Amino acid sequence: DSGVTQTPKHLITATGQRVTLRCSPRSGDLSVYWYQQSLDQGLQFLIHYYNGEERAKGNILERFSAQQFPDLHSELNLSSLELGDSALYFCASSPATDTQYFGPGTRLTVL
Amino acid sequence: GQSLEQPSEVTAVEGAIVQINCTYQTSGFYGLSWYQQHDGGAPTFLSYNGLDGLEETGRFSSFLSRSDSYGYLLLQELQMKDSASYFCAVRALYSGNTPLVFGKGTRLSVIA
Repeated sequence: DSGVTQTPKHLITATGQRVTLRCSPRSGDLSVYWYQQSLDQGLQFLIHYYNGEERAKGNILERFSAQQFPDLHSELNLSSLELGDSALYFCASSPATDTQYFGPGTRLTVL
Repeated sequence: GQSLEQPSEVTAVEGAIVQINCTYQTSGFYGLSWYQQHDGGAPTFLSYNGLDGLEETGRFSSFLSRSDSYGYLLLQELQMKDSASYFCAVRALYSGNTPLVFGKGTRLSVIA
């Protein structure tokens, strides 16, 4: 158990819908990272938040957005969903080191 | 930009040694990390190399050569439970910050 929690574990929705994925970092970690992992693909970096502020954006679509709240939990919002958005979405938290601790992931299926 | 190359699949025999290579291109280098991911699971941290040389953690070792933009993960005394995907990752420069960027992973199959 990494100490990072993600909800929900599974999500099934239809094209065109909007969903919110939630992540709670390890106690004391200020950084939260979001990644997308599609079948046979590596981990695609989406976005990084540090103590409530956006720090870096990777390959994140304009239909996707994220935020980190004062209690440090983070939400990833995915809208106008397409079939190709079906993937595992991981969040990771990090202390001020090079180690990232990953949550169990949310498996999103868009039908 | 940045890119990482690693073999997509490797098969090795239980009890043997296997090496998984990773070459990278990145603007600015801040270290090479390795993560393990079992099917259906989350990636877990294995090792980090910030400087050239070998880092050893039990049966796993990781090596870095910054001049060659190359590193490897060495797994010794392979066990069936080592069957998993292994990702190398570098910190890459995005908007003045350096989040981790991962390779596509190497799927290791350990056979009896």
